[in-house]
Amino acid sequence: EVQLVESGGGLVKPGGSLRLSCAASGFGFPNAWMNWVRQAPGKGLEWVGRIKDQTDSGAADYAAPVKGRFSISRDDSRRTLYLQINSLKTEDTAVYYCATGGYVNGWPLDHWGQGTLVTVSS
Amino acid sequence: EIVLTQSPGTLSLSPGERATLSCRTSQSVSSSYLGWYQQRPGQAPRLLIYGASSRATGIPDRFSGSGSGTDFTLTISRLEPEDFAVYYCQLYDRSPLTFGGGTKVEIK
Repeated sequence: EVQLVESGGGLVKPGGSLRLSCAASGFGFPNAWMNWVRQAPGKGLEWVGRIKDQTDSGAADYAAPVKGRFSISRDDSRRTLYLQINSLKTEDTAVYYCATGGYVNGWPLDHWGQGTLVTVSS
Repeated sequence: EIVLTQSPGTLSLSPGERATLSCRTSQSVSSSYLGWYQQRPGQAPRLLIYGASSRATGIPDRFSGSGSGTDFTLTISRLEPEDFAVYYCQLYDRSPLTFGGGTKVEIK
Protein backbone atom coordinates (compact mmCIF):
# COMPACT_ATOMS: atom_id res chain seq x y z
CA GLU A 1 0.00 0.00 0.00
CA VAL A 2 1.31 3.43 -0.96
CA GLN A 3 1.79 5.71 2.04
CA LEU A 4 2.91 9.32 2.10
CA VAL A 5 3.26 11.04 5.47
CA GLU A 6 4.09 14.73 5.62
CA SER A 7 5.56 16.43 8.66
CA GLY A 8 7.31 19.62 9.68
CA GLY A 9 4.48 22.11 9.46
CA GLY A 10 3.76 24.66 12.16
CA LEU A 11 3.53 28.33 13.04
CA VAL A 12 6.31 30.49 11.64
CA LYS A 13 6.89 34.23 11.58
CA PRO A 14 7.11 36.11 8.27
CA GLY A 15 10.62 35.94 6.90
CA GLY A 16 11.29 32.63 8.62
CA SER A 17 12.17 29.25 7.17
CA LEU A 18 10.77 25.76 7.43
CA ARG A 19 11.59 22.34 6.06
CA LEU A 20 8.77 19.96 5.33
CA SER A 21 9.29 16.22 4.97
CA CYS A 22 7.32 13.50 3.25
CA ALA A 23 8.08 9.90 4.22
CA ALA A 24 7.20 7.45 1.47
CA SER A 25 6.54 3.72 1.48
CA GLY A 26 4.82 1.06 -0.57
CA PHE A 27 6.15 1.99 -4.02
CA GLY A 28 9.40 2.52 -5.89
CA PHE A 29 10.28 5.89 -4.37
CA PRO A 30 13.81 6.16 -5.85
CA ASN A 31 12.37 5.97 -9.37
CA ALA A 32 9.34 8.18 -8.75
CA TRP A 33 8.78 11.79 -9.70
CA MET A 34 7.48 13.54 -6.60
CA ASN A 35 5.37 16.67 -6.24
CA TRP A 36 4.36 19.24 -3.68
CA VAL A 37 0.91 20.84 -3.88
CA ARG A 38 -0.49 23.40 -1.47
CA GLN A 39 -3.93 24.63 -0.53
CA ALA A 40 -4.52 27.93 1.24
CA PRO A 41 -7.43 27.96 3.70
CA GLY A 42 -10.72 27.83 1.81
CA LYS A 43 -8.96 27.97 -1.57
CA GLY A 44 -8.17 25.61 -4.40
CA LEU A 45 -5.16 23.44 -5.16
CA GLU A 46 -1.91 25.03 -6.26
CA TRP A 47 0.98 23.01 -7.65
CA VAL A 48 4.22 24.07 -5.98
CA GLY A 49 6.86 22.00 -7.74
CA ARG A 50 8.28 18.56 -8.43
CA ILE A 51 11.52 16.64 -8.51
CA LYS A 52 12.50 14.00 -11.00
CA ASP A 53 14.20 10.75 -10.10
CA GLN A 54 18.00 10.59 -10.14
CA THR A 55 18.16 8.64 -13.38
CA ASP A 56 16.33 11.51 -15.05
CA SER A 57 18.65 14.21 -13.68
CA GLY A 58 17.02 14.55 -10.25
CA ALA A 59 16.21 18.13 -11.24
CA ALA A 60 13.40 20.10 -9.68
CA ASP A 61 11.11 22.68 -11.20
CA TYR A 62 8.78 25.11 -9.53
CA ALA A 63 5.70 27.21 -9.94
CA ALA A 64 6.47 30.86 -10.64
CA PRO A 65 5.16 32.23 -7.32
CA VAL A 66 7.61 30.14 -5.28
CA LYS A 67 10.64 30.02 -7.53
CA GLY A 68 13.75 31.20 -5.73
CA ARG A 69 12.27 30.75 -2.24
CA PHE A 70 11.29 27.07 -2.29
CA SER A 71 13.64 24.16 -2.82
CA ILE A 72 12.67 20.53 -3.33
CA SER A 73 15.12 17.73 -2.58
CA ARG A 74 15.03 14.02 -1.92
CA ASP A 75 16.93 11.38 0.02
CA ASP A 76 16.30 8.10 -1.74
CA SER A 77 18.11 6.09 0.95
CA ARG A 78 15.64 7.43 3.51
CA ARG A 79 12.72 7.37 1.04
CA THR A 80 11.98 10.94 2.00
CA LEU A 81 11.01 14.03 0.04
CA TYR A 82 11.73 17.51 1.34
CA LEU A 83 10.46 21.02 0.75
CA GLN A 84 12.63 23.84 2.07
CA ILE A 85 10.69 27.08 2.33
CA ASN A 86 12.60 30.31 2.91
CA SER A 87 11.56 33.95 3.34
CA LEU A 88 8.08 32.85 4.34
CA LYS A 89 5.19 35.18 3.56
CA THR A 90 1.70 35.25 5.02
CA GLU A 91 0.39 34.09 1.65
CA ASP A 92 2.37 30.85 2.05
CA THR A 93 -0.09 29.81 4.76
CA ALA A 94 -1.54 26.56 3.47
CA VAL A 95 -1.77 22.83 3.83
CA TYR A 96 1.14 21.31 1.95
CA TYR A 97 0.64 17.92 0.32
CA CYS A 98 3.18 15.64 -1.23
CA ALA A 99 1.98 13.49 -4.12
CA THR A 100 3.44 10.85 -6.40
CA GLY A 101 3.70 11.73 -10.06
CA GLY A 102 4.60 8.47 -11.70
CA TYR A 103 7.95 7.52 -13.16
CA VAL A 104 8.00 9.63 -16.28
CA ASN A 105 6.73 13.02 -17.39
CA GLY A 106 3.02 13.24 -18.08
CA TRP A 107 1.74 11.19 -15.17
CA PRO A 108 -1.14 12.27 -12.94
CA LEU A 109 -0.77 12.74 -9.20
CA ASP A 110 -2.03 9.32 -8.25
CA HIS A 111 -1.28 9.15 -4.52
CA TRP A 112 -1.40 11.93 -1.94
CA GLY A 113 -0.41 12.34 1.67
CA GLN A 114 -2.73 13.84 4.27
CA GLY A 115 -0.88 17.15 4.30
CA THR A 116 0.88 19.33 6.85
CA LEU A 117 -0.30 22.81 7.80
CA VAL A 118 2.03 25.77 7.58
CA THR A 119 0.84 28.97 9.21
CA VAL A 120 2.80 32.16 8.63
CA SER A 121 1.86 34.85 11.12
CA SER A 122 3.51 37.35 13.43
CA GLU B 1 0.84 28.94 -19.25
CA ILE B 2 -2.46 27.24 -20.00
CA VAL B 3 -5.37 28.29 -17.80
CA LEU B 4 -8.06 25.80 -16.74
CA THR B 5 -11.52 27.23 -16.06
CA GLN B 6 -14.07 25.10 -14.28
CA SER B 7 -17.80 25.67 -14.27
CA PRO B 8 -20.07 26.00 -12.53
CA GLY B 9 -18.42 27.13 -9.31
CA THR B 10 -21.09 25.37 -7.30
CA LEU B 11 -23.57 22.69 -8.33
CA SER B 12 -26.56 22.06 -6.05
CA LEU B 13 -28.08 18.65 -6.62
CA SER B 14 -29.92 15.90 -4.77
CA PRO B 15 -28.66 12.35 -4.19
CA GLY B 16 -29.48 10.19 -7.19
CA GLU B 17 -29.23 13.06 -9.66
CA ARG B 18 -26.71 13.38 -12.46
CA ALA B 19 -23.83 15.85 -12.14
CA THR B 20 -22.05 17.37 -15.13
CA LEU B 21 -18.89 19.37 -14.45
CA SER B 22 -16.99 21.34 -17.07
CA CYS B 23 -13.30 22.13 -17.48
CA ARG B 24 -12.16 24.41 -20.29
CA THR B 25 -8.54 25.04 -21.20
CA SER B 26 -7.26 28.33 -22.63
CA GLN B 27 -5.74 26.48 -25.58
CA SER B 28 -6.08 23.04 -27.09
CA VAL B 29 -4.42 20.30 -25.06
CA SER B 30 -3.84 16.59 -25.43
CA SER B 31 -6.54 14.63 -23.65
CA SER B 32 -3.83 12.20 -22.54
CA TYR B 33 -2.81 14.66 -19.84
CA LEU B 34 -6.12 15.85 -18.39
CA GLY B 35 -7.12 14.55 -14.99
CA TRP B 36 -9.86 14.99 -12.42
CA TYR B 37 -9.54 14.89 -8.65
CA GLN B 38 -12.07 14.70 -5.84
CA GLN B 39 -11.55 16.37 -2.48
CA ARG B 40 -13.94 15.60 0.33
CA PRO B 41 -14.09 18.01 3.30
CA GLY B 42 -11.06 17.66 5.53
CA GLN B 43 -9.40 15.12 3.26
CA ALA B 44 -6.60 15.07 0.75
CA PRO B 45 -7.47 15.08 -2.94
CA ARG B 46 -7.66 11.75 -4.74
CA LEU B 47 -7.28 10.96 -8.40
CA LEU B 48 -10.54 10.02 -10.12
CA ILE B 49 -9.84 10.23 -13.85
CA TYR B 50 -6.66 10.39 -15.91
CA GLY B 51 -6.16 10.72 -19.63
CA ALA B 52 -9.52 12.54 -19.72
CA SER B 53 -11.54 9.33 -19.59
CA SER B 54 -9.74 6.53 -17.72
CA ARG B 55 -10.87 5.79 -14.18
CA ALA B 56 -8.17 5.47 -11.55
CA THR B 57 -7.91 2.30 -9.49
CA GLY B 58 -10.93 1.72 -7.26
CA ILE B 59 -13.06 4.52 -8.70
CA PRO B 60 -16.72 3.52 -9.17
CA ASP B 61 -18.09 3.42 -12.70
CA ARG B 62 -20.65 6.12 -11.96
CA PHE B 63 -17.73 8.51 -12.56
CA SER B 64 -16.86 9.11 -16.20
CA GLY B 65 -14.75 11.62 -18.07
CA SER B 66 -14.88 12.82 -21.63
CA GLY B 67 -13.74 15.59 -23.90
CA SER B 68 -11.01 16.77 -26.20
CA GLY B 69 -9.35 19.93 -27.41
CA THR B 70 -10.37 22.63 -24.96
CA ASP B 71 -13.56 21.17 -23.47
CA PHE B 72 -13.62 18.38 -20.92
CA THR B 73 -16.40 16.98 -18.77
CA LEU B 74 -16.65 14.94 -15.60
CA THR B 75 -20.00 13.19 -15.19
CA ILE B 76 -21.31 11.52 -12.07
CA SER B 77 -24.25 9.43 -13.24
CA ARG B 78 -26.10 9.12 -9.92
CA LEU B 79 -24.86 11.07 -6.94
CA GLU B 80 -24.17 9.10 -3.78
CA PRO B 81 -23.91 10.89 -0.40
CA GLU B 82 -20.11 10.51 -0.43
CA ASP B 83 -19.86 12.27 -3.82
CA PHE B 84 -20.69 15.69 -2.39
CA ALA B 85 -17.25 17.24 -2.54
CA VAL B 86 -15.06 19.59 -4.54
CA TYR B 87 -13.74 18.47 -7.91
CA TYR B 88 -10.64 19.78 -9.68
CA CYS B 89 -9.38 19.27 -13.19
CA GLN B 90 -5.64 19.31 -13.84
CA LEU B 91 -3.31 19.42 -16.79
CA TYR B 92 -0.13 17.41 -16.19
CA ASP B 93 1.66 17.29 -19.53
CA ARG B 94 4.51 19.58 -18.49
CA SER B 95 5.68 21.99 -15.85
CA PRO B 96 3.98 23.96 -14.43
CA LEU B 97 1.23 21.50 -13.70
CA THR B 98 -1.99 23.50 -13.44
CA PHE B 99 -5.28 23.01 -11.65
CA GLY B 100 -8.67 24.47 -12.36
CA GLY B 101 -10.36 26.50 -9.67
CA GLY B 102 -12.70 23.68 -8.65
CA THR B 103 -16.41 22.90 -8.69
CA LYS B 104 -18.19 22.26 -5.43
CA VAL B 105 -21.01 19.72 -5.62
CA GLU B 106 -23.32 20.38 -2.71
CA ILE B 107 -26.54 18.81 -1.46
CA LYS B 108 -29.61 20.68 -2.58
